[in-house]
Amino acid sequence: EPEVTQTPSHQVTQMGQEVILRCVPISNHLYFYWYRQILGQKVEFLVSFYNNEISEKSEIFDDQFSVERPDGSNFTLKIRSTKLEDSAMYFCASSNAAGLLEDTQYFGPGTRLTVL
Amino acid sequence: DQQVKQNSPSLSVQEGRISILNCDYTNSMFDYFLWYKKYPAEGPTFLISISSIKDKNEDGRFTVFLNKSAKHLSLHIVPSQPGDSAVYFCAAKGSGGADGLTFGKGTHLIIQP
Repeated sequence: EPEVTQTPSHQVTQMGQEVILRCVPISNHLYFYWYRQILGQKVEFLVSFYNNEISEKSEIFDDQFSVERPDGSNFTLKIRSTKLEDSAMYFCASSNAAGLLEDTQYFGPGTRLTVL
Repeated sequence: DQQVKQNSPSLSVQEGRISILNCDYTNSMFDYFLWYKKYPAEGPTFLISISSIKDKNEDGRFTVFLNKSAKHLSLHIVPSQPGDSAVYFCAAKGSGGADGLTFGKGTHLIIQP
């Protein structure tokens, strides 16, 4: 069964450093998403991406964040200058909505980002 | 701003009995509702969904009920099995294809033998 994959599973970085989190969405999916879950809190939407551009973003997704689909398979989240509060699980998701209401988002296993 | 609320942080149910997980929402623009199951250190796994034009959707042991006037949905699992022990998240979205999901805080379901 196709699945979303994410690398690395765990990333440790120093405050102020740039990190890139990688995702390979399900191959025939058209919509891509990033979410995060700070320890003990709920899963929060960051950004959605369709047709090579950002479709929606939350207020969390500020100028420190960017997303890219550098090739036909990868989808990346970059944090330019990490802060302690960026420590969280980051989940990638994809869906094959094609603009339909009943689109299900399928999630990857997550990347645990630890900022020291 | 809790647009999706799961008021029970945990629920303990005996194996073989019915588990009922509840979820309330406040945003009347939500059109599609999903339940995800999550184990520690893993991503959310999709379980079942329902659109706002329906009031019930069933898939095997899982049934989701939607009461749109009360802005309430519930997930029924029957019979409950030990492997069902996990955190269950209710999520909702609007009608746009690229809309992000709004999650509740989750309910930790514990199935006791």
